Amino acid sequence: EVQLVMSAAEVKKPGQSLNISCQASGYIFTNHWIGWVRQMPGKGLEGVGIIFPGDSQTRFSPSFQGHVTLSVDKSANTAYLHWSSLRASDTGMYYCVRVGSFESGVPYMDVWGKGTTVIVTS
Amino acid sequence: SSELTQDPAVSVALGQTVRLTCQGDSLRNFYATWYQQRPGQAPTVVIYGRNTRPSGVPDRFSASRSGNTASLTISGAQADDEADYFCHSRDNNGNLLLFGGGTRLTVL
Repeated sequence: EVQLVMSAAEVKKPGQSLNISCQASGYIFTNHWIGWVRQMPGKGLEGVGIIFPGDSQTRFSPSFQGHVTLSVDKSANTAYLHWSSLRASDTGMYYCVRVGSFESGVPYMDVWGKGTTVIVTS
Repeated sequence: SSELTQDPAVSVALGQTVRLTCQGDSLRNFYATWYQQRPGQAPTVVIYGRNTRPSGVPDRFSASRSGNTASLTISGAQADDEADYFCHSRDNNGNLLLFGGGTRLTVL
């Protein structure tokens, strides 16, 4: 069974750094893009970015480019989302997603983690 | 423009058919994926590609596309279908993670 197990909730202050993680199992980690989707409280879904573990290629949504970084540890089948300086507006639920395939150029996110809540408050 | 627009809320009587729409210029070139999200849960896929249902998704869910509009049709809506539905696609500039604002479906 394909699973994405995410790290626990975090409460941080503005300006602090943060890594959240997503450990994948049940498939060959380096064969599928893996990424992150944000949902702010009571709001819709926003794509953050995706990374290909095989060669660490990344694709970001424009609104997140330059504010977060994506990385993987292939030996641990784990993907990371990193902030060097958090803002209050980073508060939200972050879902880890696996890209099952690209359907005519559109990534199909077939498996979702349960989400990691990030709260940034002074 | 790089936006996908959905109606914020739609209601349907139990057993009736409802069509949820997603509009955006990029949909002239790319299909939409449709995700269902129940309260307190992570989203799950109901339709991807041209009109493919993952295993376990009832066949009352179907998708279509015309011009700049993608549609998700639920034929014979059930109480269990009450949820938020999000469309997702990409734009012509390489943004692969473009989501609509979501539609809250109420089954009456």
